Amino acid sequence: ELKVEQNPLFLSMQEGKNYTIYCNYSTTSDRLYWYRQDPGKSLESLFVLLSNGAVKQEGRLMASLDTKARLSTLHITAAVHDLSATYFCAVDIASGGGADGLTFGKGTHLIIQP
Amino acid sequence: AAGVIQSPRHLIKEKRETATLKCYPIPRHDTVYWYQQGPGQDPQFLISFYEKMQSDKGSIPDRFSAQQFSDYHSELNMSSLELGDSALYFCASSLGYTDTQYFGPGTRLTVL
Repeated sequence: ELKVEQNPLFLSMQEGKNYTIYCNYSTTSDRLYWYRQDPGKSLESLFVLLSNGAVKQEGRLMASLDTKARLSTLHITAAVHDLSATYFCAVDIASGGGADGLTFGKGTHLIIQP
Repeated sequence: AAGVIQSPRHLIKEKRETATLKCYPIPRHDTVYWYQQGPGQDPQFLISFYEKMQSDKGSIPDRFSAQQFSDYHSELNMSSLELGDSALYFCASSLGYTDTQYFGPGTRLTVL
């Protein structure tokens, strides 16, 4: 059974600071995703990471993937209040074909204080 | 850009009633996924369809069923509703099953 673990689950930080969210997964996967969710809202796709060493950046967010360590990181640079949200990593179970459902981590609830 | 459409957005039902949730994927997307998210929880995969055929099955209760129609929209049918079925139900769509899954706004189901 695929397990996806995120840490920390809760993070309160000040604007302007840097921090990293970690996502570990237990079995081989084709793809790793990062999603953002605001309270009561939908999940917004941030990044899709497909290969070992993949790094993607969008604004103050940067995601990376190490498939050998089964680890992905989401790094926040110079945080601003608007980045306050819950961030989920999710993994495709790589069953060999078909529309596989994603397995999500528990999410990191991020609060950025002015 | 067009997004995934879900209806209704909110639904209130009594225990033991039935509910039908609808999902209209992004145009040209042929793959649909259903997820359930309880309060404060991560989304749990229920079921998926690719080209109108069931593709993968997750933790979907036997009381629930789903299908994808010829126009690629999908419906999730829920019977004998229980209090624990109260949750946000998301539909996601993709172009093929290797594409990113794009999530709809969700249907908030409350069972009283």
